[in-house]
Amino acid sequence: DAGVTQSPTHLIKTRGQQVTLRCSPKSGHDTVSWYQQALGQGPQFIFQYYEEEERQRGNFPDRFSGHQFPNYSSELNVNALLLGDSALYLCASSFRAGGPREQYFGPGTRLTVT
Amino acid sequence: AQSVTQPDIHITVSEGASLELRCNYSYGATPYLFWYVQSPGQGLQLLLKYFSGDTLVQGIKGFEAEFKRSQSSFNLRKPSVHWSDAAEYFCAVGTQGGKFYFGSGTKLNVKP
Repeated sequence: DAGVTQSPTHLIKTRGQQVTLRCSPKSGHDTVSWYQQALGQGPQFIFQYYEEEERQRGNFPDRFSGHQFPNYSSELNVNALLLGDSALYLCASSFRAGGPREQYFGPGTRLTVT
Repeated sequence: AQSVTQPDIHITVSEGASLELRCNYSYGATPYLFWYVQSPGQGLQLLLKYFSGDTLVQGIKGFEAEFKRSQSSFNLRKPSVHWSDAAEYFCAVGTQGGKFYFGSGTKLNVKP
């Protein structure tokens, strides 16, 4: 049973560019959450998707957007990249939105903005 | 506002010694509490969770945690630490709406 997978593993972008990160949830899961983990910090909640809609959002600007596909996989898009967007981006999946469901995390995508 | 505080940034214990990692939370409703572990360059692995019921919960790898509502705490414990336990540990609170709030983590170093 494959767990949560994320691609790419590493990414280097230049300020002002746009980036798309991808996540496939654990088999049987229908909810995907995205987190940003800056160096030396805990993960910060970006948003959560369920039934192809954004259900919850953390304190992140509109430059951060997402999408969920019918097969439950998800994308995180970040526009107009800033140096401060450099971080490990984690995807977590769970079954059914609403309530603090147990979340399973992927290995993350390391984004470096230069 | 919801928040999680892990007061210890770094902790060093000797192999075989006991361990306690502290976690305090701020949340207005019934908290749903979690402990995760992260090895370098890796994602997070769930150690244990508390939703309701018995306030002492058992997790994987011999870890346990105790929920104390009066102290707003959910401390993680292990009676005997192994060298493989060296990692970073995160406490988190989940809201009914599905948001998760993580602490800033405690890095555990294990001396041989």
